[in-house]
Amino acid sequence: GDSVTQMEGPVTLSEEAFLTINCTYTATGYPSLFWYVQYPGEGLQLLLKATKADDKGSNKGFEATYRKETTSFHLEKGSVQVSDSAVYFCALSDRGGANNLFFGTGTRLTVIP
Amino acid sequence: ETGVTQSPTHLIKTRGQQVTLRCSSQSGHNTVSWYQQALGQGPQFIFQYYREEENGRGNFPPRFSGLQFPNYSSELNVNALELDDSALYLCASSPESGGKTTGELFFGEGSRLTVL
Repeated sequence: GDSVTQMEGPVTLSEEAFLTINCTYTATGYPSLFWYVQYPGEGLQLLLKATKADDKGSNKGFEATYRKETTSFHLEKGSVQVSDSAVYFCALSDRGGANNLFFGTGTRLTVIP
Repeated sequence: ETGVTQSPTHLIKTRGQQVTLRCSSQSGHNTVSWYQQALGQGPQFIFQYYREEENGRGNFPPRFSGLQFPNYSSELNVNALELDDSALYLCASSPESGGKTTGELFFGEGSRLTVL
């Protein structure tokens, strides 16, 4: 079945450091891929998405490229800020069914000044 | 601010009891999904409703049921509560796209259920 494997955390970085959170997926079809973020005390929010191979999603300085050959969708940011501290979830949407989302287990990022 | 509100935010029940969780979606969002998020885990899909009909279900037993109403509100009902049902329950709405979502969901902050 469809699944997402996400880099385990927690991850602690200093401000302005480079961030990579790895995500790989298994899917029978051609899923859409997402990164969702959960800030402290808030609900899940869509951070970025990519709907087909080689697409790059980007938002708030974060980027992720849909790599079909490596079945990956790694999240990157060149210079993190304290305000980026949150839990990040990789997810895929199965287009064949009801388009429900399959989530990874989440990676907690803490950015220290 | 996603425009999705859930109630109650926290509740405690005992094993065997029944619970109803409520969600108010964004106006115009005809699709609502419910997810269960256990501590330290990612959300797991319970089921989805589109125009008041269930149109997708995850690997959850029939004691998990739902309703969707025409006013963009919905409910998740869980009967015969078990200890493992303790989790954060998330409601998510999305604009329709031919009856299937685009995968872009707008989540509420969740209802945290503790079963003792």
